[in-house]
Amino acid sequence: GAVVSQHPSWVICKSGTSVKIECRSLDFQATTMFWYRQFPKQSLMLMATSNEGSKATYEQGVEKDKFLINHASLTLSTLTVTSAHPEDSSFYICSAREGASGYNEQYFGPGTRLTVT
Amino acid sequence: GQNIDQPTEMTATEGAIVQINCTYQTSGFNGLFWYQQHAGEAPTFLSYNVLDGLEEKGRFSSFLSRSKGYSYLLLKELQMKDSASYLCAVRDRSGNTPLVFGKGTRLSVIA
Repeated sequence: GAVVSQHPSWVICKSGTSVKIECRSLDFQATTMFWYRQFPKQSLMLMATSNEGSKATYEQGVEKDKFLINHASLTLSTLTVTSAHPEDSSFYICSAREGASGYNEQYFGPGTRLTVT
Repeated sequence: GQNIDQPTEMTATEGAIVQINCTYQTSGFNGLFWYQQHAGEAPTFLSYNVLDGLEEKGRFSSFLSRSKGYSYLLLKELQMKDSASYLCAVRDRSGNTPLVFGKGTRLSVIA
């Protein structure tokens, strides 16, 4: 199956700093990537939909100025958590699809665990 | 609105069969997915249903009834490694739309 990578796999940062998380589709081109956040024992909550070459579409309640998403190429999307606070500590997972049809499954990256101290 | 319901937790015995149910109410429907997620890891794809009926894949089967807004995942010959969360997800329309996930069912397989 298709492979999606994320970097870093885990990061610890101080409150007030910014953290960038990269998501790459390694063997396919992903026109669209999705960013999810997952708190302990909770399900995946969609944060935003990232389309190559255009602005991301954010879900209600997600601050676009705090969670900056850039999708500069068909294989790379980045999520930057700006001015991070302890409540931003979470598991961030990106996902990508090969095509637009309903059958195409979403492939998930391994996730990035962010801890803000 | 969108609502996807699953039981929060289930426990089953090694070697047994377990059925995890999922009900959904969404504005549209363009497929239902089941994913397995081990703690601290990303979800992995298990199955996809878009038409009514049963899809079988090895020890795992998934069933869909669109008229009832209902699906189940059936796991046979349970193994300890099957202990994980099982996520039901729906795509509510066509195109490059994201999956909407239920809260997941944490399955514990005991000896």
